[in-house]
Amino acid sequence: AQSVTQPDIHITVSEGASLELRCNYSYGATPYLFWYVQSPGQGLQLLLKYFSGDTLVQGIKGFEAEFKRSQSSFNLRKPSVHWSDAAEYFCAVRGGATNKLIFGTGTLLAVQP
Amino acid sequence: DGGITQSPKYLFRKEGQNVTLSCEQNLNHDAMYWYRQDPGQGLRLIYYSQIVNDFQKGDIAEGYSVSREKKESFPLTVTSAQKNPTAFYLCASSIGGGRGSGANVLTFGAGSRLTVL
Repeated sequence: AQSVTQPDIHITVSEGASLELRCNYSYGATPYLFWYVQSPGQGLQLLLKYFSGDTLVQGIKGFEAEFKRSQSSFNLRKPSVHWSDAAEYFCAVRGGATNKLIFGTGTLLAVQP
Repeated sequence: DGGITQSPKYLFRKEGQNVTLSCEQNLNHDAMYWYRQDPGQGLRLIYYSQIVNDFQKGDIAEGYSVSREKKESFPLTVTSAQKNPTAFYLCASSIGGGRGSGANVLTFGAGSRLTVL
């Protein structure tokens, strides 16, 4: 069965520092991979997605992610974090006959001045 | 602007009562979904519908019911059989439920927070 693991529950970074949020997935074939962001009390907004092709994908708000098949990973990165990036980030995978989107448990990002 | 509207944003319920959460979309999407979000557990799929008048159970359907009589509407009823209904509920939609590049992107509503007193 497909699954997603986000090993970091909570991360704190300083404003202006670089960021990497980890995501590992379990799926037999090439999955469809997503990163979503959620501000407190709000819905989820799509940051970026990977379907095929170039393994480095660019998203909104200066985020990027790299698909590494050998490591079953799809880590999210940003070179310089802004205070407005404080939110919860969810990695998700989709594939298989059901086409359901499976979410990780999320990583809560705090940004300190 | 197109989007998904969930209402109410906050809802309080007494134990033993059924409540219905509304979800309306004007994106002309075929597929709609209901997720439940609890702290530290991510999002879990309750029900989904790929087309009008059809829906399937997700991973945690017990104690919930849905209907899909119109393309733009997918209401969720939290019944008294749901043992722990206090949670944040998110509705989403996508162009289709099939496997294809456009079909897989979900658009989310702002959510409804249900609290059982």
